[in-house]
Amino acid sequence: ETGVTQTPRHLVMGMTNKKSLKCEQHLGHNAMYWYKQSAKKPLELMFVYSLEERVENNSVPSRFSPECPNSSHLFLHLHTLQPEDSALYLCASSQETGGSYEQYFGPGTRLTVT
Amino acid sequence: AQTVTQSQPEMSVQEAETVTLSCTYDTSESDYYLFWYKQPPSRQMILVIRQEAYKQQNATENRFSVNFQKAAKSFSLKISDSQLGDAAMYFCAYRSANQAGTALIFGKGTTLSVSS
Repeated sequence: ETGVTQTPRHLVMGMTNKKSLKCEQHLGHNAMYWYKQSAKKPLELMFVYSLEERVENNSVPSRFSPECPNSSHLFLHLHTLQPEDSALYLCASSQETGGSYEQYFGPGTRLTVT
Repeated sequence: AQTVTQSQPEMSVQEAETVTLSCTYDTSESDYYLFWYKQPPSRQMILVIRQEAYKQQNATENRFSVNFQKAAKSFSLKISDSQLGDAAMYFCAYRSANQAGTALIFGKGTTLSVSS
């Protein structure tokens, strides 16, 4: 248990579906992250919310939409995905003020797009 | 841009033996953090050890220790007294200290197998 939870753990969706991934951290951190882990590629940052500001990776397609309603919750809204979006999606959190900057990860959501 | 390179896609070790995983990085920054993460088959990413660039002393955490060579931009992980539970993918990661909410930059990982 790292103090970061993700739901669902597994998701299969068609290309026309809309779904959302949820992440919650119980560590009192003030930054949260979405990473994508594909086979044979390094983990890639998708989005980060830090100190109430959103930092976006410009290479992320618009079919991925993040939402951070408060410092403990992070969502990733998915719509009209492509098969190449199948991957493990990891959420992480860190303390960015007076903290150690270590990122703690959730267990991930395994997404399959059919 | 910073990059992290792990040149060993796979490594193997016998139980109770010692193994060293290599990592090099490229950066023009002077202040940063380095991490080793472990990802077992469960896919849970677990922090193993961290190193602040301004500290000359190598970090240690029980059976895990690092050899941090700042001038050479090298950050290797040594696992002593290897155990079956150490079998996992190990990722080296870099993080700038210059900005809040900075992402980790990961290497491609090294798969470690442990045999009895």
